Amino acid sequence: AQTVTQSQPEMSVQEAETVTLSCTYDTSESDYYLFWYKQPPSRQMILVIRQEAYKQQNATENRFSVNFQKAAKSFSLKISDSQLGDAAMYFCAYRSGEYNNNDMRFGAGTRLTVKP
Amino acid sequence: DTAVSQTPKYLVTQMGNDKSIKCEQNLGHDTMYWYKQDSKKFLKIMFSYNNKELIINETVPNRFSPKSPDKAHLNLHINSLELGDSAVYFCASSQGTSLGNTIYFGEGSWLTVV
Repeated sequence: AQTVTQSQPEMSVQEAETVTLSCTYDTSESDYYLFWYKQPPSRQMILVIRQEAYKQQNATENRFSVNFQKAAKSFSLKISDSQLGDAAMYFCAYRSGEYNNNDMRFGAGTRLTVKP
Repeated sequence: DTAVSQTPKYLVTQMGNDKSIKCEQNLGHDTMYWYKQDSKKFLKIMFSYNNKELIINETVPNRFSPKSPDKAHLNLHINSLELGDSAVYFCASSQGTSLGNTIYFGEGSWLTVV
């Protein structure tokens, strides 16, 4: 069964506007971490933001913020003031002790296009 | 300075050949990984080493053999390459295996088997 689900294979946003990428996950654990990684055309995986499940406060990193809804098992990424350089694949990832040595599991990704 | 570096970045080779991908991290991390990203962009772990010891070995053909000569290096050797091995292989590292340890990725090695 897929642990991390990204229901939007593709999204697009106008430059300077805001876009939200969805991510849901399936777990019975109470202690876990969630991550968003960005993969531009260069293929490098770059950490965007992370969230500890025990923290109620949503993580923010400059123009990037998350909406973490623990009960709903939802972890969406909001990109404000979108820039051309934000165009990339975005992967949601989950890490908990239920997997072998705290392995990280990834969603299938969302391709974000930024229109000038 | 590149934190996690892997070579080669691109590799085109024929079926049946043996090839290696090298990985080095200069972050002082204890844990290193190999991930495979297939043509559909799905990213999945293959192996993980902690202090040079194998701790994760997912269902990967025996043709794939990782080797960690020291904590800073984790190389991937692939024997008898098949068309289905074409993918991007990512090396990664983290401070340890704790949940909160962020995993840092290399730039990927794009393997094409023809």
